[in-house]
Amino acid sequence: NAGVTQTPKFQVLKTGQSMTLQCAQDMNHEYMSWYRQDPGMGLRLIHYSVGAGITDQGEVPNGYNVSRSTTEDFPLRLLSAAPSQTSVYFCASSPGQSNSPLHFGNGTRLTVT
Amino acid sequence: KQEVTQIPAALSVPEGENLVLNCSFTDSAIYNLQWFRQDPGKGLTSLLLIQSSQREQTSGRLNASLDKSSGRSTLYIAASQPGDSATYLCAVPTGANSKLTFGKGITLSVRP
Repeated sequence: NAGVTQTPKFQVLKTGQSMTLQCAQDMNHEYMSWYRQDPGMGLRLIHYSVGAGITDQGEVPNGYNVSRSTTEDFPLRLLSAAPSQTSVYFCASSPGQSNSPLHFGNGTRLTVT
Repeated sequence: KQEVTQIPAALSVPEGENLVLNCSFTDSAIYNLQWFRQDPGKGLTSLLLIQSSQREQTSGRLNASLDKSSGRSTLYIAASQPGDSATYLCAVPTGANSKLTFGKGITLSVRP
């Protein structure tokens, strides 16, 4: 059981480039989300989805797009990378019920120069 | 707006010590609280989830308590080991679904 899989593990981008961070889960979880983790700021929610075809914004959505065409996949797109988007990005999923634990991937470390 | 605080930011203890990690939150209208562990360069692993109707939850040497009225939770680690060295984060739901607000974590170092 792979759980939540994120690719790539590391990425370096130049300012203005675009890219997609991939996230896939094999637990048939309805809820998926993206967080970024920055020193001194903790984990902040970027976007989330409560099921296929449904997405919504979190605390820090600007500069990011998401889509949820299948239950398994929840990619995060950076439209035009900025140095402020240098961070570690985590994807997480849960069955969606209010008392279900959240399962995290191992993260993508992104550097924007 | 819900705020979650974990103090201190770092803690160093000798092996074998029993210890308590604290978590406080400002909005007591929560339906659960989760404790996570994060190892360097890794994602978060859920340790314990306490529902609002519970006061305690136990898993092995870990015991978490929840006092909603005072906006506090504690994670008790018995007989600490060097393998317990990690960052421990608490999180509470914000609104519906599984959106969580996280504390900044406590980095624990257990010295052999």
